[in-house]
Amino acid sequence: DSGVTQTPKHLITATGQRVTLRCSPRSGDLSVYWYQQSLDQGLQFLIQYYNGEERAKGNILERFSAQQFPDLHSELNLSSLELGDSALYFCASSAHAGTNGGYTFGSGTRLTVV
Amino acid sequence: QQPVQSPQAVILREGEDAVINCSSSKALYSVHWYRQKHGEAPVFLMILLKGGEQKGHDKISASFNEKKQQSSLYLTASQLSYSGTYFCGTLPGGAQKLVFGQGTRLTINP
Repeated sequence: DSGVTQTPKHLITATGQRVTLRCSPRSGDLSVYWYQQSLDQGLQFLIQYYNGEERAKGNILERFSAQQFPDLHSELNLSSLELGDSALYFCASSAHAGTNGGYTFGSGTRLTVV
Repeated sequence: QQPVQSPQAVILREGEDAVINCSSSKALYSVHWYRQKHGEAPVFLMILLKGGEQKGHDKISASFNEKKQQSSLYLTASQLSYSGTYFCGTLPGGAQKLVFGQGTRLTINP
């Protein structure tokens, strides 16, 4: 157990639907990052939050949004889902804003869009 | 902006050595290295900050040449447990987002 909790572990949904992925960071970590990993692909950075505020954005689609709540957990919302959105979505956390420390990854949410 | 890793895949026999390279077109503040086993989350190995330092972690070590914007990961006397995909992540100076390379798949055979 890495200390980063992601729910649900698996999600199967139909095209056009909306889903919410949840992440609880490791205790004491203020930064949360979301990454997308498609089959046999690398880790694509989506978005970063630090202590409730958005800090950096990657190539995140307009259909996707995220937020970090006062208790530091984060949610990634994916809407108008398409087949190509099927992927592993990882959440990671770190103590600070991503400069001097490594990231701790959660076990991921596997999203399948049918 | 994405760093380039080489080689894309390596197959070794147990006990052999491997080197994985990571290069960037941008000036770097730091380089991260992670290992991901199939179906699992990436696991942090080490971070190197600018200054040309070299770090070691058991029989896995890495170097960072900030002038060349390159980092290399060295695996010596490889063990079966070293199998997996290795990712470097780069953090250009002033940037907040860690960008990962495409990964290097390492297979260790008995």
